[in-house]
Amino acid sequence: DAGVIQSPRHEVTEMGQEVTLRCKPISGHNSLFWYRQTMMRGLELLIYFNNNVPIDDSGMPEDRFSAKMPNASFSTLKIQPSEPRDSAVYFCASSFRVREDEKLFFGSGTQLSVL
Amino acid sequence: DQQVKQNSPSLSVQEGRISILNCDYTNSMFDYFLWYKKYPAEGPTFLISISSIKDKNEDGRFTVFLNKSAKHLSLHIVPSQPGDSAVYFCAASGDYKLSFGAGTTVTVRA
Repeated sequence: DAGVIQSPRHEVTEMGQEVTLRCKPISGHNSLFWYRQTMMRGLELLIYFNNNVPIDDSGMPEDRFSAKMPNASFSTLKIQPSEPRDSAVYFCASSFRVREDEKLFFGSGTQLSVL
Repeated sequence: DQQVKQNSPSLSVQEGRISILNCDYTNSMFDYFLWYKKYPAEGPTFLISISSIKDKNEDGRFTVFLNKSAKHLSLHIVPSQPGDSAVYFCAASGDYKLSFGAGTTVTVRA
């Protein structure tokens, strides 16, 4: 299996622009997570999907952030409009959650820089 | 409010010596704890885990200890090797999601 695939690997944009991050989870996994990594807070959970349905989006920082999962093999995280403080590494992770000890498989992340 | 805390942002250790990484948590409902390892430009990968009903789990050079009364866990790496240089994240599982600490950067000196 190719693992969790994220695109783009790097994104540089100007403040105010729309940014869309993409994720393809591992085939057969039923749970998908978007995390953001910053120096100060480490890995923060933004949103969690189970069977394509958003279960918990309490980590989404503002209305500028939105996420969708139209099918089991694709998810997007959109920031509109983007701001410099959104600069971070965004990770997508997937798992097949039947037990608490099911580990997550992470993609390589998208390094976002908002100028 | 961070429920999982790694208070040491960095650790430097001599090759062959023991690395000890610490993690504290606040939520007593967490029932599973994991450590993830992250190299630059890669996503975190699972390293080792422990259930809340145990106090120790060992896997080769890696051992995780859990002290539930103190809400504290630690990861021991012995002996440390240059390839262990990475960022280590402590994570706690509750309900359906993992809460991560801020990470500890380990540098193993030759």
